[in-house]
Amino acid sequence: EAQLVESGGGLVQPGGSLRLSCVVSGFTVSNNYMSWVRQAPGKGLEWVSVIYSAQSGRSTDYADSVKGRFTISRDNPRNTVYLQMNSLRVEDTAVYYCANIGSRGMDFDFWGQGTVVTVSS
Amino acid sequence: IVLTQSPGTLSLSPGEGATLSCRASQSVSSTYLAWYQQKPGQAPRLLIYGASSRAAGIPDRFSGSGSGTDFTLTISRLEPEDFAVYYCQRYDGSSLFTFGPGTKVDIK
Repeated sequence: EAQLVESGGGLVQPGGSLRLSCVVSGFTVSNNYMSWVRQAPGKGLEWVSVIYSAQSGRSTDYADSVKGRFTISRDNPRNTVYLQMNSLRVEDTAVYYCANIGSRGMDFDFWGQGTVVTVSS
Repeated sequence: IVLTQSPGTLSLSPGEGATLSCRASQSVSSTYLAWYQQKPGQAPRLLIYGASSRAAGIPDRFSGSGSGTDFTLTISRLEPEDFAVYYCQRYDGSSLFTFGPGTKVDIK
């Protein structure tokens, strides 16, 4: 059974950095498209970033709101996906979810429980 | 492409049926239209993919339909555990992934 476990959230000042981790079991991250989705307090879901499978010929993509500040990556031996977040802003405050993207319809079929990022002075 | 969901809130009683709408500003491939359920404090759960296919383990009281710009999630008879927020989501090759703002189904 697929399991995704996020960690690395916390309180950080504006302009600071955090690295989120998503440890995956039950499937191999390098064979799948993996994504980060966030949810600001009391708000809806916002897609953040995707890293494509190793065999897809594609690399990564980002939402305009985080482009140039966030970097998604994976560690194949650790079967882990990361989100490096730099130049954090107050508006980046959210629960960050790691999710697997289903190959049938580019939907998010498995989710982690989320990790909370708070950007505040 | 912008997704609009209506109504914003739906107040119903257990046993009633629910019809949730997701409208796109441009035509969406049915292959890439999904619905999710989210309960407070929990991660979203995939209900429907490909506009009308139920995800694994989803009860058959949930059904999806639609094409082009208009999609619908129908819950035939609301169970107590169905009161939640529902999001539609679409993918396309240019703007990638977009979620609708959500419809909250609460107890009347």
